[in-house]
Amino acid sequence: DGGITQSPKYLFRKEGQNVTLSCEQNLNHDAMYWYRQDPGQGLRLIYYSQIVNDFQKGDIAEGYSVSREKKESFPLTVTSAQKNPTAFYLCASSIAAQGNEQFFGPGTRLTVL
Amino acid sequence: ILNVEQSPQSLHVQEGDSTNFTCSFPSSNFYALHWYRWETAKSPEALFVMTLNGDEKKKGRISATLNTKEGYSYLYIKGSQPEDSATYLCAFPGTYKYIFGTGTRLKVLA
Repeated sequence: DGGITQSPKYLFRKEGQNVTLSCEQNLNHDAMYWYRQDPGQGLRLIYYSQIVNDFQKGDIAEGYSVSREKKESFPLTVTSAQKNPTAFYLCASSIAAQGNEQFFGPGTRLTVL
Repeated sequence: ILNVEQSPQSLHVQEGDSTNFTCSFPSSNFYALHWYRWETAKSPEALFVMTLNGDEKKKGRISATLNTKEGYSYLYIKGSQPEDSATYLCAFPGTYKYIFGTGTRLKVLA
């Protein structure tokens, strides 16, 4: 079955630690995205990638980093520079052309202790 | 700055009631408008991709309309059922980026 997987489902991190969230898709989509959701807010774009080896900052990229070495993988690293990392993180992918629907993973809930 | 707004923020209805919610979006540079359904503990799933002014799309008891000139879309649910309980998101694709509304959280009471 084609789809997007994210791991882990729940993640706990101590302050000052970097942590990497995994996102893998087997839909053969060129475009991949990372969003963050906080209570009472919509999905906010962290980073996106339209093609392998290329990615762009979204609206709230500070304190995050990504890589896109393979088409199917788009890991997100939450660094110690992110001031308020506790949130729900969603990964998505789509056919690259503008306006196509996005397919979402199940999400990772990150809690900083 | 592009802004997508949804109302109401949350809604409680009785089983069997019909309901509707609104998504407002920029009317300039329109390309498409997406509706997603997000059930608790699941991933958001696309309901409709709407592209033409006057579009009306239907999936079972759920339908959506689109007015690109005035920048709004309505989502209707006829005869709500408890399984319709979810957050309904709309999204406005910009150039390579999607701007999401905050969603309407629907709870259907049995």
